[in-house]
Amino acid sequence: DSGVTQTPKHLITATGQRVTLRCSPRSGDLSVYWYQQSLDQGLQFLIQYYNGEERAKGNILERFSAQQFPDLHSELNLSSLELGDSALYFCASSLQTGNYGYTFGSGTRLTVV
Amino acid sequence: DQQVKQNSPSLSVQEGRISILNCDYTNSMFDYFLWYKKYPAEGPTFLISISSIKDKNEDGRFTVFLNKSAKHLSLHIVPSQPGDSAVYFCAASVTNNNDMRFGAGTRLTVKP
Repeated sequence: DSGVTQTPKHLITATGQRVTLRCSPRSGDLSVYWYQQSLDQGLQFLIQYYNGEERAKGNILERFSAQQFPDLHSELNLSSLELGDSALYFCASSLQTGNYGYTFGSGTRLTVV
Repeated sequence: DQQVKQNSPSLSVQEGRISILNCDYTNSMFDYFLWYKKYPAEGPTFLISISSIKDKNEDGRFTVFLNKSAKHLSLHIVPSQPGDSAVYFCAASVTNNNDMRFGAGTRLTVKP
């Protein structure tokens, strides 16, 4: 157990639907990062939050949004889902922002049918 | 755009031999590099890192080499063990920039 908790582990939904992925960071970590891993692709950085505020944005689609709550857990919202959104979504956390090794959760596998 | 590339999707080595995993990057602004290891059904775990002010960092059986002029880094595992079988991701970032870029990963298989 890495200390980063992601729920649900698996999610199957239909095109056009909206889903919410949840992440609880490791205790004490203030930064949360979201990554997407599609088939045979590396980890694509989506977005980062630090202590409730958005810090960095990567290749995140406009249909996707995220937030970090006062208790530091984070949610990634994916809407108007398309088949190509099927992927593993990882959340990672770190104590601070910047060059630190991240602690990753075990991911949420999203399948859009 | 793929700023971090791992051109070998897989690598197979015999137990006890050396495993060498390679990674190339295109962004000359990257100044911090990491390797992560991923087992099935788990998230990636941090393995070893190197700053651009160094050309080598060693931690037990794992050594990372950085060649800035070639924009190339490699991870050496000596001796390789069956438990090292996993997917290895190379990652790079710019100091104070929170956008860490990952390669596509290399699947290492260590045969007993």
